[in-house]
Amino acid sequence: NAGVTQTPKFQVLKTGQSMTLQCAQDMNHNSMYWYRQDPGMGLRLIYYSASEGTTDKGEVPNGYNVSRLNKREFSLRLESAAPSQTSVYFCASSESGRDGYGYTFGSGTRLTVV
Amino acid sequence: DQQVKQNSPSLSVQEGRISILNCDYTNSMFDYFLWYKKYPAEGPTFLISISSIKDKNEDGRFTVFLNKSAKHLSLHIVPSQPGDSAVYFCAASAKEYGNKLVFGAGTILRVKS
Repeated sequence: NAGVTQTPKFQVLKTGQSMTLQCAQDMNHNSMYWYRQDPGMGLRLIYYSASEGTTDKGEVPNGYNVSRLNKREFSLRLESAAPSQTSVYFCASSESGRDGYGYTFGSGTRLTVV
Repeated sequence: DQQVKQNSPSLSVQEGRISILNCDYTNSMFDYFLWYKKYPAEGPTFLISISSIKDKNEDGRFTVFLNKSAKHLSLHIVPSQPGDSAVYFCAASAKEYGNKLVFGAGTILRVKS
């Protein structure tokens, strides 16, 4: 099925460990996003990539890095995980421009940092 | 400071009745508003949107109303069904900010049968 695929679905890390969250979309969308969802905070933008080869910080970028590997793939890396990064992470993609309704989200990665 | 606010964390409604979910925003630059619906263990899915040049948009059982002077929008679901039970996120975007979506905290809707 067409859409956004995130891996892994669940992960437990120890403080200080590193990991990369993978995201791939097969809709030929130009823009990709990483959000985190926390109780009472909604979805907050971590990083985004308006097009292949570009990345920019969102609202809460500290502690994260991203790579837009190609048009399909956008990965999120935690270099040294902290308990404050315990969250559910969502990747999304869209056509650039006005298509707000074009955001397609993956099913999320639930990350726990102990 | 949250630019998009959903002040009701939860709402409980009887099946067949109307559900009204509210959203307020503070940034007057926002010109496009959306509602997303999220079931547990799934990603949010787009539900309905409205441009700032309109004050109402309807799609089947779902209607979104926009009051720009009050910086307020609402989502009406009529009639409510048990399958509508989910978390609803309000979101806004502005051309000046590259059309990136800013989300509210979400409202949990429970429709009782």
